[in-house]
Amino acid sequence: GDSVTQMEGPVTLSEEAFLTINCTYTATGYPSLFWYVQYPGEGLQLLLKATKADDKGSNKGFEATYRKETTSFHLEKGSVQVSDSAVYFCALRGAGGGADGLTFGKGTHLIIQP
Amino acid sequence: DAGVIQSPRHEVTEMGQEVTLRCKPISGHNSLFWYRQTMMRGLELLIYFNNNVPIDDSGMPEDRFSAKMPNASFSTLKIQPSEPRDSAVYFCASRPTGMRAFFGQGTRLTVV
Repeated sequence: GDSVTQMEGPVTLSEEAFLTINCTYTATGYPSLFWYVQYPGEGLQLLLKATKADDKGSNKGFEATYRKETTSFHLEKGSVQVSDSAVYFCALRGAGGGADGLTFGKGTHLIIQP
Repeated sequence: DAGVIQSPRHEVTEMGQEVTLRCKPISGHNSLFWYRQTMMRGLELLIYFNNNVPIDDSGMPEDRFSAKMPNASFSTLKIQPSEPRDSAVYFCASRPTGMRAFFGQGTRLTVV
């Protein structure tokens, strides 16, 4: 079945550091890929998405590129801020039918120190 | 639109009690999902509905869990009897066909 693997945290960085959170997936066909963010005490919010190979999703300075050849969708940001501290979830929605919900990774807790 | 509304936001209950979580999806969204979030297992899809019909409940952990969607604007997730290992954050999400999902703020359930 479909699965998503992302790096385990917590990831602790200093403000203005470069961020990479790795995400790889297993799925049949061409799934849609997503990054969701969960700020403390809040629900999940869509951060960015990509629906086909080589697409780049971007939002709030974050970027991720859909790499079919490496089945990856790594999240990057050039200069993180304290306000980026949150839990980040990589997710996919399969293209081949079956369950219509999202398959999530376990989440990566990001802590940005001033 | 107010988004997906879940209630209660927090629930503390004793083992063995019945717990009912509620969700109001965004108007016009025809798919509704229930997820459970724990530290150990991350986010898991429990069940999803399409046009009020349960399509896939293979993620429901046990018979103690049940979900209903009596109409397009309301769904419940019930646990009876509850156990401490059911403690988690339960998310409801909705989406229109072909679009991305919108999540509620979740219900934090603690079973003592």
